[in-house]
Amino acid sequence: ETGVTQSPTHLIKTRGQQVTLRCSSQSGHNTVSWYQQALGQGPQFIFQYYREEENGRGNFPPRFSGLQFPNYSSELNVNALELDDSALYLCASSTRGGTQYFGPGTRLLVL
Amino acid sequence: AQSVTQLDSHVSVSEGTPVLLRCNYSSSYSPSLFWYVQHPNKGLQLLLKYTSAATLVKGINGFEAEFKKSETSFHLTKPSAHMSDAAEYFCVVSEGAGGTSYGKLTFGQGTILTVHP
Repeated sequence: ETGVTQSPTHLIKTRGQQVTLRCSSQSGHNTVSWYQQALGQGPQFIFQYYREEENGRGNFPPRFSGLQFPNYSSELNVNALELDDSALYLCASSTRGGTQYFGPGTRLLVL
Repeated sequence: AQSVTQLDSHVSVSEGTPVLLRCNYSSSYSPSLFWYVQHPNKGLQLLLKYTSAATLVKGINGFEAEFKKSETSFHLTKPSAHMSDAAEYFCVVSEGAGGTSYGKLTFGQGTILTVHP
């Protein structure tokens, strides 16, 4: 196990709703990265947070937003959910520039 | 821009036979390269990483990979497959030398490994 935890494990929402996913990083790590893994695809980078600041963003619309807290845990927020947002959401923690260690993921289903 | 191509979407082997999962990469910078494994309904586990210290990288569970700059390849091998190796494998590239992974990781599409008894 990596020591990275995510909650909830599963979530069902309807189109147009908002969702918040949570990630607790491994002890000693100050960087959290979020990825979206659609069914049958490799994970796609959403964004990364380092010491509470966004430190890079992938090709995702602004309705995907995040936060990192002083204890380095993190949230991913998605507004105005669309059917295509159904996916496994993975967070990874690391030291800055270090190897990324992944949590078990949150599986989101949008109906 | 960086990208990864995994040349096989599915690989099927018999238990005890060698495993070869193929990966080619493209990167504007000196890349960091990784292989991750994902078992069903589980998160991603790091198998090994290329740190530029040696072109042949040994990982967990008997896996290894060889970095070939001239061929822009980073193929994953294992001499003898075990039933527990059945999973999906991702080749990953990141800009940042020495095994670092500044910013985003770029994943390949994945290779599903099936191991037959």
